Amino acid sequence: TQLLEQSPQFLSIQEGENLTVYCNSSSVFSSLQWYRQEPGEGPVLLVTVVTGGEVKKLKRLTFQFGDARKDSSLHITAAQPGDTGLYLCAGSNNFNKFYFGSGTKLNVKP
Amino acid sequence: EPEVTQTPSHQVTQMGQEVILRCVPISNHLYFYWYRQILGQKVEFLVSFYNNEISEKSEIFDDQFSVERPDGSNFTLKIRSTKLEDSAMYFCASSEGMAGLNEKLFFGSGTQLSVL
Repeated sequence: TQLLEQSPQFLSIQEGENLTVYCNSSSVFSSLQWYRQEPGEGPVLLVTVVTGGEVKKLKRLTFQFGDARKDSSLHITAAQPGDTGLYLCAGSNNFNKFYFGSGTKLNVKP
Repeated sequence: EPEVTQTPSHQVTQMGQEVILRCVPISNHLYFYWYRQILGQKVEFLVSFYNNEISEKSEIFDDQFSVERPDGSNFTLKIRSTKLEDSAMYFCASSEGMAGLNEKLFFGSGTQLSVL
């Protein structure tokens, strides 16, 4: 089993602040995905990164895959209350089976 | 946006009973998955299914579990004899191509299974 550690576990910030959450592993992954999950719902895919050093932007969200493909970060600029949710990273080595991290629970206060 | 549909949303069963969890993946998708999430724990991979056969399964997916695509639209997960530790939220997911190859993976809203 390949472990993905996410930090921080919990993050509570004011609207307008910037934040970064991290996803780290000792294993190398062929691809890594970030999801957002709302209570009572399934995870919703935000992005997939497959190349070491890759940076992808989705509006105010910036995702980076580490050069060694062992870690990733998600940066949110000017957070809004609508960004509140559980952010999960998931890594795969065979494009078929993903290992999920425990998630970062983000709360953005208005 | 197209969506993966799961039924029922909640299922309560007695230990030892068989349960079937149902999923309708997105219609043009070819790859299908089951994941589960025990309360307070990580989302865990159970099985992937492509071309009418299992392509990969985890150590959780033992002989008590089976999957089927009976009619070209439904994708089911059967647990033959449920145990207390099978209580979890079960998520079905589908993708057009292999999920890790930049293909979007769509998850359903889940079936909450409670084994008493």
